[in-house]
Amino acid sequence: EAQVTQNPRYLITVTGKKLTVTCSQNMNHEYMSWYRQDPGLGLRQIYYSMNVEVTDKGDVPEGYKVSRKEKRNFPLILESPSPNQTSLYFCASSLWAGGLETQYFGPGTRLLVL
Amino acid sequence: DQQVKQNSPSLSVQEGRISILNCDYTNSMFDYFLWYKKYPAEGPTFLISISSIKDKNEDGRFTVFLNKSAKHLSLHIVPSQPGDSAVYFCAASEGRGGSEKLVFGKGTKLTVNP
Repeated sequence: EAQVTQNPRYLITVTGKKLTVTCSQNMNHEYMSWYRQDPGLGLRQIYYSMNVEVTDKGDVPEGYKVSRKEKRNFPLILESPSPNQTSLYFCASSLWAGGLETQYFGPGTRLLVL
Repeated sequence: DQQVKQNSPSLSVQEGRISILNCDYTNSMFDYFLWYKKYPAEGPTFLISISSIKDKNEDGRFTVFLNKSAKHLSLHIVPSQPGDSAVYFCAASEGRGGSEKLVFGKGTKLTVNP
Protein backbone atom coordinates (compact mmCIF):
# COMPACT_ATOMS: atom_id res chain seq x y z
CA GLU A 1 0.00 0.00 0.00
CA ALA A 2 1.33 3.40 -1.00
CA GLN A 3 1.80 5.52 2.07
CA VAL A 4 3.67 8.20 3.94
CA THR A 5 4.33 7.36 7.57
CA GLN A 6 5.27 9.71 10.35
CA ASN A 7 6.51 8.97 13.83
CA PRO A 8 5.63 9.78 16.47
CA ARG A 9 1.99 10.72 15.91
CA TYR A 10 1.81 12.63 19.18
CA LEU A 11 4.62 14.17 21.19
CA ILE A 12 4.80 16.30 24.31
CA THR A 13 8.21 17.76 25.08
CA VAL A 14 9.86 20.62 26.92
CA THR A 15 11.58 23.71 25.63
CA GLY A 16 15.12 23.07 24.46
CA LYS A 17 15.01 19.28 24.28
CA LYS A 18 16.08 18.19 20.82
CA LEU A 19 13.62 16.02 18.93
CA THR A 20 13.26 14.36 15.55
CA VAL A 21 10.06 13.54 13.71
CA THR A 22 10.62 10.83 11.15
CA CYS A 23 8.95 10.62 7.76
CA SER A 24 9.15 7.71 5.37
CA GLN A 25 7.52 6.98 2.01
CA ASN A 26 7.37 3.72 0.10
CA MET A 27 6.58 5.07 -3.38
CA ASN A 28 10.09 5.93 -4.59
CA HIS A 29 9.05 9.57 -4.74
CA GLU A 30 11.70 12.17 -5.49
CA TYR A 31 10.03 15.17 -3.84
CA MET A 32 9.34 15.37 -0.13
CA SER A 33 8.16 18.22 2.01
CA TRP A 34 7.27 19.24 5.56
CA TYR A 35 4.34 21.47 6.50
CA ARG A 36 2.90 22.78 9.70
CA GLN A 37 -0.76 23.54 10.25
CA ASP A 38 -1.83 26.14 12.77
CA PRO A 39 -5.32 27.49 13.55
CA GLY A 40 -6.09 30.51 11.44
CA LEU A 41 -2.89 30.12 9.43
CA GLY A 42 -3.57 27.08 7.30
CA LEU A 43 -0.71 24.97 6.02
CA ARG A 44 2.74 26.46 5.71
CA GLN A 45 5.72 24.80 4.07
CA ILE A 46 8.79 24.39 6.28
CA TYR A 47 11.33 22.61 4.06
CA TYR A 48 11.25 20.60 0.89
CA SER A 49 13.61 18.24 -0.88
CA MET A 50 13.86 17.68 -4.61
CA ASN A 51 15.92 14.51 -4.21
CA VAL A 52 18.61 12.89 -2.10
CA GLU A 53 20.98 15.46 -0.62
CA VAL A 54 18.94 18.33 -2.12
CA THR A 55 16.92 20.38 0.37
CA ASP A 56 15.62 23.93 0.42
CA LYS A 57 13.72 26.28 2.68
CA GLY A 58 10.00 26.79 2.49
CA ASP A 59 8.16 29.72 3.99
CA VAL A 60 8.80 29.04 7.70
CA PRO A 61 12.16 27.24 8.09
CA GLU A 62 13.37 29.00 11.24
CA GLY A 63 14.04 26.61 14.10
CA TYR A 64 13.96 23.51 11.92
CA LYS A 65 16.50 21.32 10.15
CA VAL A 66 16.04 18.51 7.68
CA SER A 67 18.18 15.96 5.94
CA ARG A 68 17.68 13.68 2.95
CA LYS A 69 20.31 10.98 3.03
CA GLU A 70 18.04 8.34 1.54
CA LYS A 71 15.25 8.73 -0.96
CA ARG A 72 12.57 7.28 1.27
CA ASN A 73 13.30 9.23 4.48
CA PHE A 74 13.01 12.92 5.29
CA PRO A 75 13.32 13.57 9.03
CA LEU A 76 12.41 16.91 10.60
CA ILE A 77 14.74 18.00 13.39
CA LEU A 78 14.00 20.55 16.06
CA GLU A 79 17.36 21.28 17.71
CA SER A 80 15.93 23.45 20.47
CA PRO A 81 12.13 23.37 20.41
CA SER A 82 10.19 26.37 21.64
CA PRO A 83 6.49 26.75 22.51
CA ASN A 84 5.80 28.56 19.21
CA GLN A 85 6.65 25.29 17.46
CA THR A 86 3.62 23.66 19.01
CA SER A 87 1.71 22.63 15.93
CA LEU A 88 0.38 19.85 13.72
CA TYR A 89 3.07 18.69 11.31
CA PHE A 90 2.56 16.95 7.99
CA CYS A 91 5.10 15.25 5.82
CA ALA A 92 4.29 14.78 2.13
CA SER A 93 5.85 13.25 -0.94
CA SER A 94 5.20 13.36 -4.65
CA LEU A 95 6.66 11.67 -7.67
CA TRP A 96 8.51 14.83 -8.63
CA ALA A 97 8.31 18.52 -7.82
CA GLY A 98 6.23 19.23 -10.88
CA GLY A 99 3.77 16.51 -10.00
CA LEU A 100 2.21 18.08 -6.96
CA GLU A 101 -1.16 16.58 -7.81
CA THR A 102 0.42 13.26 -6.91
CA GLN A 103 1.38 14.54 -3.48
CA TYR A 104 0.56 12.14 -0.66
CA PHE A 105 0.38 13.46 2.87
CA GLY A 106 1.19 11.58 6.03
CA PRO A 107 -1.32 11.35 8.89
CA GLY A 108 0.27 14.18 10.87
CA THR A 109 2.30 14.58 14.06
CA ARG A 110 0.82 16.66 16.82
CA LEU A 111 3.59 18.35 18.83
CA LEU A 112 3.21 20.20 22.10
CA VAL A 113 6.22 22.09 23.43
CA LEU A 114 5.90 23.15 27.06
CA ASP B 1 1.93 39.09 3.49
CA GLN B 2 -0.46 36.34 2.59
CA GLN B 3 -0.06 35.34 -1.03
CA VAL B 4 -3.01 32.94 -1.16
CA LYS B 5 -6.21 34.03 0.51
CA GLN B 6 -9.35 32.13 1.31
CA ASN B 7 -11.52 34.81 2.83
CA SER B 8 -14.39 32.59 3.93
CA PRO B 9 -13.42 30.50 6.94
CA SER B 10 -16.61 28.50 6.65
CA LEU B 11 -19.45 27.70 4.29
CA SER B 12 -22.66 25.82 4.88
CA VAL B 13 -24.82 24.43 2.05
CA GLN B 14 -27.72 22.07 1.66
CA GLU B 15 -27.22 18.61 0.22
CA GLY B 16 -27.80 18.61 -3.53
CA ARG B 17 -27.04 22.30 -3.94
CA ILE B 18 -23.87 23.86 -5.33
CA SER B 19 -20.90 24.70 -3.10
CA ILE B 20 -18.61 27.48 -4.28
CA LEU B 21 -15.30 27.96 -2.53
CA ASN B 22 -13.21 30.97 -3.43
CA CYS B 23 -9.50 31.70 -3.45
CA ASP B 24 -7.53 34.83 -4.34
CA TYR B 25 -3.82 35.19 -4.89
CA THR B 26 -1.44 38.10 -5.11
CA ASN B 27 1.72 36.63 -6.63
CA SER B 28 1.54 37.01 -10.40
CA MET B 29 4.25 34.34 -10.76
CA PHE B 30 1.86 31.65 -9.59
CA ASP B 31 0.65 29.63 -12.51
CA TYR B 32 -0.31 26.28 -11.10
CA PHE B 33 -3.10 25.88 -8.58
CA LEU B 34 -4.37 22.96 -6.57
CA TRP B 35 -7.24 22.23 -4.22
CA TYR B 36 -6.85 19.85 -1.32
CA LYS B 37 -9.49 18.38 0.94
CA LYS B 38 -8.83 17.60 4.57
CA TYR B 39 -10.84 15.57 7.04
CA PRO B 40 -10.14 15.84 10.78
CA ALA B 41 -7.26 13.66 12.01
CA GLU B 42 -6.09 12.96 8.46
CA GLY B 43 -3.57 14.50 6.10
CA PRO B 44 -4.82 16.58 3.15
CA THR B 45 -5.67 14.78 -0.06
CA PHE B 46 -5.36 16.19 -3.55
CA LEU B 47 -8.67 17.06 -5.18
CA ILE B 48 -8.17 18.94 -8.44
CA SER B 49 -5.67 21.26 -10.09
CA ILE B 50 -5.49 23.81 -12.85
CA SER B 51 -2.71 25.31 -14.88
CA SER B 52 -2.78 28.96 -15.85
CA ILE B 53 -3.08 28.06 -19.52
CA LYS B 54 -6.61 26.92 -18.76
CA ASP B 55 -9.59 28.70 -17.31
CA LYS B 56 -11.53 25.62 -16.31
CA ASN B 57 -10.85 22.07 -15.25
CA GLU B 58 -13.53 19.55 -14.45
CA ASP B 59 -13.42 16.22 -12.67
CA GLY B 60 -16.76 14.66 -11.93
CA ARG B 61 -18.65 16.81 -9.46
CA PHE B 62 -15.68 19.13 -9.01
CA THR B 63 -14.84 22.05 -11.28
CA VAL B 64 -12.15 24.65 -10.78
CA PHE B 65 -12.36 28.00 -12.53
CA LEU B 66 -9.41 30.34 -12.94
CA ASN B 67 -9.62 34.06 -13.70
CA LYS B 68 -6.03 35.16 -14.17
CA SER B 69 -6.79 38.82 -14.68
CA ALA B 70 -8.61 38.93 -11.35
CA LYS B 71 -6.11 36.55 -9.69
CA HIS B 72 -9.06 34.52 -8.53
CA LEU B 73 -10.02 30.89 -8.60
CA SER B 74 -13.03 29.02 -7.38
CA LEU B 75 -13.96 25.43 -6.71
CA HIS B 76 -17.50 24.35 -7.55
CA ILE B 77 -18.96 21.17 -6.13
CA VAL B 78 -22.25 20.10 -7.62
CA PRO B 79 -24.25 18.43 -6.33
CA SER B 80 -22.88 18.74 -2.81
CA GLN B 81 -22.99 15.65 -0.62
CA PRO B 82 -22.65 15.27 3.16
CA GLY B 83 -19.37 13.39 2.61
CA ASP B 84 -17.96 16.57 1.08
CA SER B 85 -17.96 18.17 4.53
CA ALA B 86 -14.28 18.91 5.17
CA VAL B 87 -11.76 21.72 5.15
CA TYR B 88 -10.70 22.76 1.65
CA PHE B 89 -7.32 24.33 1.00
CA CYS B 90 -6.35 26.27 -2.06
CA ALA B 91 -2.63 26.13 -2.94
CA ALA B 92 -0.41 27.72 -5.55
CA SER B 93 3.05 27.29 -6.99
CA GLU B 94 5.12 28.94 -9.66
CA GLY B 95 4.44 26.20 -12.16
CA ARG B 96 5.52 22.66 -12.77
CA GLY B 97 9.24 22.43 -12.47
CA GLY B 98 9.45 26.09 -11.49
CA SER B 99 9.59 27.03 -7.86
CA GLU B 100 8.97 23.95 -5.85
CA LYS B 101 7.41 25.94 -3.03
CA LEU B 102 3.74 25.39 -2.45
CA VAL B 103 1.79 28.18 -0.76
CA PHE B 104 -1.50 27.36 0.90
CA GLY B 105 -4.48 29.45 1.88
CA LYS B 106 -5.92 29.23 5.38
CA GLY B 107 -8.70 26.90 4.35
CA THR B 108 -12.50 26.97 4.18
CA LYS B 109 -14.55 24.59 6.27
CA LEU B 110 -17.43 23.27 4.21
CA THR B 111 -20.46 21.77 5.90
CA VAL B 112 -23.03 20.03 3.74
CA ASN B 113 -26.29 19.55 5.59
CA PRO B 114 -28.51 16.54 4.77
